[in-house]
Amino acid sequence: EAQVTQNPRYLITVTGKKLTVTCSQNMNHEYMSWYRQDPGLGLRQIYYSMNVEVTDKGDVPEGYKVSRKEKRNFPLILESPSPNQTSLYFCASRRAGGHGYTFGSGTRLTVV
Amino acid sequence: AQKVTQAQTEISVVEKEDVTLDCVYETRDTTYYLFWYKQPPSGELVFLIRRNSFDEQNEISGRYSWNFQKSTSSFNFTITASQVVDSAVYFCALSEARNTGTASKLTFGTGTRLQVTL
Repeated sequence: EAQVTQNPRYLITVTGKKLTVTCSQNMNHEYMSWYRQDPGLGLRQIYYSMNVEVTDKGDVPEGYKVSRKEKRNFPLILESPSPNQTSLYFCASRRAGGHGYTFGSGTRLTVV
Repeated sequence: AQKVTQAQTEISVVEKEDVTLDCVYETRDTTYYLFWYKQPPSGELVFLIRRNSFDEQNEISGRYSWNFQKSTSSFNFTITASQVVDSAVYFCALSEARNTGTASKLTFGTGTRLQVTL
C-alpha cells in the first residue's frame, strides 16, 4: 500500500530534550515536506526537500532541522524543543511533476 | 505570495441541512491547483478533491460538490443533506503549478470546523 509513515503518533517530551520524528514513504517520491498545524493558523510548511541531499526552509523553520540522506526518509529533528513547538505535525510527499500530495497520519507533539 | 482565506471559522448545522464552506485564494500564477481536505476528529488529513486552474467545471461527487470561479478567486465546497459523519475540520489549499522550490508547497487556509448535529 502506498503510504507515508510517521512515527511516533503521539509524543510528550520535556523542554530541551532532543527528539526526532521520522517520516518514510514507499512511493519513490522526490518531493517531501513537513508541516505543522496550530489552531487558527492552519498548516504551515516547516521544511521541504526536492530530492536526496536537497533541502530548504519553508515558512516556519526556526527550531527545526531536517535531513534527506535517502529518498524514502525525511526526519524532522528538534534539537532543543520548547513549549511553542507543541503542535500537530504532518509529513507529506509528492512525485516530481505531480500535484497530488500524500500525507502521513500526523504526530501530535507536546513539549512541557 | 499565495494566500488562502477561509473566513468561516466554525459552522453548525442540523443533519440533512445543506452547508457551503467558502474558500477565497490569491496567487500571481495563472496555473495552479486547488484542494480540499477533510480532517476528522481522529486527526488525519483526508484528500477530497484537486482542481486545475484551467478547469472551471463544477464537480459533484455524491453529496459533495465544488464550485470553482476564477473570476472571484473562489473554490467553494457544498455538502448536501449533511450527516453527523461530516463533522470535521475542512481545509482549502493552493499549490502553484511550477514544480520548483517554494512553488511546490501547499498553502492552506485556516480551516472551517463543521459541526453537524441530530
